[in-house]
Amino acid sequence: AQSVTQLDSHVSVSEGTPVLLRCNYSSSYSPSLFWYVQHPNKGLQLLLKYTSAATLVKGINGFEAEFKKSETSFHLTKPSAHMSDAAEYFCVVSDLLGKLVFGAGTILRVKS
Amino acid sequence: KAGVTQTPRYLIKTRGQQVTLSCSPISGHRSVSWYQQTPGQGLQFLFEYFSETQRNKGNFPGRFSGRQFSNSRSEMNVSTLELGDSALYLCASSLGSGGRQTGELFFGEGSRLTVL
Repeated sequence: AQSVTQLDSHVSVSEGTPVLLRCNYSSSYSPSLFWYVQHPNKGLQLLLKYTSAATLVKGINGFEAEFKKSETSFHLTKPSAHMSDAAEYFCVVSDLLGKLVFGAGTILRVKS
Repeated sequence: KAGVTQTPRYLIKTRGQQVTLSCSPISGHRSVSWYQQTPGQGLQFLFEYFSETQRNKGNFPGRFSGRQFSNSRSEMNVSTLELGDSALYLCASSLGSGGRQTGELFFGEGSRLTVL
């Protein structure tokens, strides 16, 4: 079965510093992987997706993620955090039937 | 283009009652999925409907059911409510069946259910 593990439940950074949100996945085949963001009292929004094309994926709002098969990782990064980035981030893997399996989430706090 | 619309946004019920939640997908989207979000269990998949047919189902009891209409609008129903059913219920739509195919789900803002 497919699964994802988000290694940090909370991450705190200062505005203007880099962001790293870590995600490891488990899949018996080449996975489709996604990062979603959820702002308070809002639905989820897709940040980026990996579907076996380029291993470095660029998303919205300056976020990107790198698929590393050897490390079974799909970490999310951003060079410079903005206050508006404060939210909960979910790493997601899709199974063969298209069902999405969500990680437990990482809450990102951005300090001014 | 209007987004995914969920109604009601907030509701309070008591144990033993039933509830029906509604979801209107983005125009042209034929797939609707439902998720339950709770602080303890996170986001869990309930079911997916495509062209009025249930395509996928998560590990929830039979008290949780859903349906999709010919206009792609979907409803989910929870009968005999329990305290543990208190959660944010999220609906998501996509063009095709399954997030894997299209690579993207569009989520509504959710219906927050409180069971007393």
